[in-house]
Amino acid sequence: ETGVTQSPTHLIKTRGQQVTLRCSSQSGHNTVSWYQQALGQGPQFIFQYYREEENGRGNFPPRFSGLQFPNYSSELNVNALELDDSALYLCASSSGTPGTAYEQYFGPGTRLTVT
Amino acid sequence: DAKTTQPPSMDCAEGRAANLPCNHSTISGNEYVYWYRQIHSQGPQYIIHGLKNNETNEMASLIITEDRKSSTLILPHATLRDTAVYYCIVSDNNAGNMLTFGGGTRLMVKP
Repeated sequence: ETGVTQSPTHLIKTRGQQVTLRCSSQSGHNTVSWYQQALGQGPQFIFQYYREEENGRGNFPPRFSGLQFPNYSSELNVNALELDDSALYLCASSSGTPGTAYEQYFGPGTRLTVT
Repeated sequence: DAKTTQPPSMDCAEGRAANLPCNHSTISGNEYVYWYRQIHSQGPQYIIHGLKNNETNEMASLIITEDRKSSTLILPHATLRDTAVYYCIVSDNNAGNMLTFGGGTRLMVKP
């Protein structure tokens, strides 16, 4: 148990719809990252937030967006869902500061299925 | 593309040491080596990280070669619960400390 929680556990959406996934960071953690893991592959970095500001982004289109709140919980929003968006979405929290080496603690993920 | 190369799978007998190799020949001076593992249907779990010195914690040891082009993760006494996919990752702590996961090594610990 890492203390990182995600909701919902599973979600089914239709192509073209929008979805919001939520993550509660471990207490005291001010940084949250989001990853997408397609079946049979390693996680792919989407973006990271540090103290409510985006602090890095992977190779994902703008329809993937996020928010981090003052309590450091976070949301991942995906607009105009495509079939290829079906994946496990993971969030990871940490207490490190940008530019330093630190471990990230992952939640159990949200399984999104787009039909 | 991932910056690391790992064998796709390995077996280890329960109670024996598991030595997982990783090649990262293009690693730059400010990049750290991280190891994470993912047990089936769970989120990845942090194991250890290092820059150039060998590191040890309660889970594992990390041995980095002097030229830093390769490393080995050592689980000293593997148990059945260590069966997982192990990812070796290099990251320079910039751009959000982005972790680029490759294919990893699927370690199977057998009784």
